[in-house]
Amino acid sequence: AQTVTQSQPEMSVQEAETVTLSCTYDTSESDYYLFWYKQPPSRQMILVIRQEAYKQQNATENRFSVNFQKAAKSFSLKISDSQLGDAAMYFCAYRSTDSGWGSGANSKLTFGKGITLSVRP
Amino acid sequence: DVKVTQSSRYLVKRTGEKVFLECVQDMDHENMFWYRQDPGLGLRLIYFSYDVKMKEKGDIPEGYSVSREKKERFSLILESASTNQTSMYLCASTGTTLGTSGRYHEQYFGPGTRLTVT
Repeated sequence: AQTVTQSQPEMSVQEAETVTLSCTYDTSESDYYLFWYKQPPSRQMILVIRQEAYKQQNATENRFSVNFQKAAKSFSLKISDSQLGDAAMYFCAYRSTDSGWGSGANSKLTFGKGITLSVRP
Repeated sequence: DVKVTQSSRYLVKRTGEKVFLECVQDMDHENMFWYRQDPGLGLRLIYFSYDVKMKEKGDIPEGYSVSREKKERFSLILESASTNQTSMYLCASTGTTLGTSGRYHEQYFGPGTRLTVT
């Protein structure tokens, strides 16, 4: 079974600075997906960024980028130019690769325990 | 926009009551999921369903059951609520998104139901 580890329960960053959230995972699979989700206080969980394991290039989405180290099984999220709206809980998640349409088992996500990010004005 | 809705944001029930949590998605997704979220434990999968009337146990199914009679609706049932089931419950559905690198599944979440069992 796959496991996802987020060892830091809380982090804080100054507004406009850069922060990196750590995530490691364990799997015996060679192809899979990794995700970072954001859960703002009292609001819905939303997808921040995703990475396919077969791609060597790190994913980026505006101010969000990842550092994907497949051999080390590490998947960190970097937030640049932090904004007050970035304050939230962030979850790292793993999913097996697609093996067919509508395959529920391969749609399952395994989540880390989450990290609470606060942004200081 | 994909919308996943849950019947209640906050719910207070008594020990031993039968509790129904409802989830509806409007995007014709095949796969639907129920998680519970607890501080320090992250999200843990209770049950999921990949088609109408189909269900599979997740990691922590004990004390729960589910029902999926229609594609858009996935219900979580607590047959006899207990205080250790006090938690935030999140529903999610997975649909296929066409991205620049092909098709992939993206999981969409509902707003959550905070259930307190007293």
